[in-house]
Amino acid sequence: NAGVTQTPKFQVLKTGQSMTLQCAQDMNHEYMSWYRQDPGMGLRLIHYSVGAGITDQGEVPNGYNVSRSTTEDFPLRLLSAAPSQTSVYFCASSSGRGNYGYTFGSGTRLTVV
Amino acid sequence: DAKTTQPPSMDCAEGRAANLPCNHSTISGNEYVYWYRQIHSQGPQYIIHGLKNNETNEMASLIITEDRKSSTLILPHATLRDTAVYYCIVRASDTGGFKTIFGAGTRLFVKA
Repeated sequence: NAGVTQTPKFQVLKTGQSMTLQCAQDMNHEYMSWYRQDPGMGLRLIHYSVGAGITDQGEVPNGYNVSRSTTEDFPLRLLSAAPSQTSVYFCASSSGRGNYGYTFGSGTRLTVV
Repeated sequence: DAKTTQPPSMDCAEGRAANLPCNHSTISGNEYVYWYRQIHSQGPQYIIHGLKNNETNEMASLIITEDRKSSTLILPHATLRDTAVYYCIVRASDTGGFKTIFGAGTRLFVKA
């Protein structure tokens, strides 16, 4: 099992550009979520999904879109990048059955200039 | 989900037990206590969780008070590699509790 795979690991964008951060898991987990972590700060929930076709907003959803067309993939789209979106983005997944902890990816470090 | 309160930082000597406290006085009956840690800039790592009984695994022990209003994560023999930020989270067991919110956590420094 590869676990949770995030791509790319590093990205530099210009203000106004759009891009998609990829997240894939091979554990057949129903639950997936996206977090951002600003330097020296804790994690903040952006969007989450409890299954294919179902998504919902977290604490800081503005400026981001998500979709969940398959169980395995949960991409995060930045619509028009802003310097305030410079952050490290983490994707996480968890089984929906029972009480399990989340498995996190290694993160995507995004800089918007 | 109930909110948690943790000390911002703690020190521990290498080889000694590290006891990390967490207050969750508004916890509901269906909410579990979860612990994660984040080493440097890596993704958070799940450690342990429990409802009301004490739990132990290969990484740590979790002690939950009888009234469930507080808990303690115990790393029995801390090593330098245990230096990290430790997050205590309470989360309901059903699908509505999936929305997991992280607080500021406790920064643990293990010193030689």
